Amino acid sequence: GAGVSQSPSNKVTEKGKDVELRCDPISGHTALYWYRQSLGQGLEFLIYFQGNSAPDKSGLPSDRFSAERTGGSVSTLTIQRTQQEDSAVYLCASSSPTNRLSETQYFGPGTRLLVL
Amino acid sequence: DQQVKQNSPSLSVQEGRISILNCDYTNSMFDYFLWYKKYPAEGPTFLISISSIKDKNEDGRFTVFLNKSAKHLSLHIVPSQPGDSAVYFCAASTGTYKYIFGTGTRLKVLA
Repeated sequence: GAGVSQSPSNKVTEKGKDVELRCDPISGHTALYWYRQSLGQGLEFLIYFQGNSAPDKSGLPSDRFSAERTGGSVSTLTIQRTQQEDSAVYLCASSSPTNRLSETQYFGPGTRLLVL
Repeated sequence: DQQVKQNSPSLSVQEGRISILNCDYTNSMFDYFLWYKKYPAEGPTFLISISSIKDKNEDGRFTVFLNKSAKHLSLHIVPSQPGDSAVYFCAASTGTYKYIFGTGTRLKVLA
């Protein structure tokens, strides 16, 4: 398909384990974003990639969270030593910002993470 | 500190009537606003946007109004259809890639 894909769609893990969440953006999109949506909350910005570099990591909640992007395409969000408060839906989006007004972000379906 | 607020967590509207979803913001530097629609188990999809140089933008059944002095925007859906039932998020930006999202309003259109 041509949209943003994320895997896994659901992940249940035990507290203290590490998890990796994957995002495949739309082909050719240079910008990639990770967001988190906790229960009853809005979308919380985590990190922004332009190509392979991350000029803004300001939203990462702690040093247990890290993300990388390779080949200007696939991105992986890693959460180490997961805690119960990490349970949320993690959303990835991509965009092709050629000008301000076309900077629409296209979202994937999300990964639902549950930390027991 | 919630810079973008959607104070109504839910809204029910009869099919064919107007749905009005509201969004308030606190940062006067926001100059671009969007509405996204989200169905269960799917990611949000872009619906409509408005720049701060305008006070209205229309796209079919969807119209977004911006009142800069009140720091308020609203999304009007006329006429509402059952397929419009979803969670609607407003988002705002100061001219960068970074959007601040509201907490969403769940719209239910009753047949």
